[in-house]
Amino acid sequence: DTAVSQTPKYLVTQMGNDKSIKCEQNLGHDTMYWYKQDSKKFLKIMFSYNNKELIINETVPNRFSPKSPDKAHLNLHINSLELGDSAVYFCASSQLAKQGTNEKLFFGSGTQLSVL
Amino acid sequence: GEDVEQSLFLSVREGDSSVINCTYTDSSSTYLYWYKQEPGAGLQLLTYIFSNMDMKQDQRLTVLLNKKDKHLSLRIADTQTGDSAIYFCAETDQGGKLIFGQGTELSVKP
Repeated sequence: DTAVSQTPKYLVTQMGNDKSIKCEQNLGHDTMYWYKQDSKKFLKIMFSYNNKELIINETVPNRFSPKSPDKAHLNLHINSLELGDSAVYFCASSQLAKQGTNEKLFFGSGTQLSVL
Repeated sequence: GEDVEQSLFLSVREGDSSVINCTYTDSSSTYLYWYKQEPGAGLQLLTYIFSNMDMKQDQRLTVLLNKKDKHLSLRIADTQTGDSAIYFCAETDQGGKLIFGQGTELSVKP
């Protein structure tokens, strides 16, 4: 069984459309994340949820809205897609993150979003 | 703010050692990490080192930490073609959030 699974793997869509990416983890972790990896492979955190509550919200346009129906799921909805949203989006999970603890992240295999 | 820097590319021959270097800024990071990303996949934790250690060895991997210079390195002994991937260095900021470097693409030639 895949520990962190996200769907779809590829998403090709037109500018202005609304799309969602789903993520599920079966590790029993309390914390889930969305990361964006740009074309230069630079990886940046977007959001983090702990037990369904938002704990990190980086400077991300409000067109991006995460939703966590339960602690095993964190979905990402994107409204009014723009060309600059093209990237690979990674979901990840970890045990409850406390400062000074060992932050081991488990990543999904990514969703490659192409906005045309 | 926190910053993690790595060189972008490294090319080695199969059987040689690879050394990937990283510099970081946040001295409060309790742990420092190396993640590996294979083509078309997510990142996987490769190894990590506690900040009060100088060295950690794990089979073919050796991590060296120079806390004074805020320099972290990953040495891969007897590099194989299967080691070709992007390697990310990461530290945690004061809020416990992981900050990644931009990744070093390791290319192993037969």
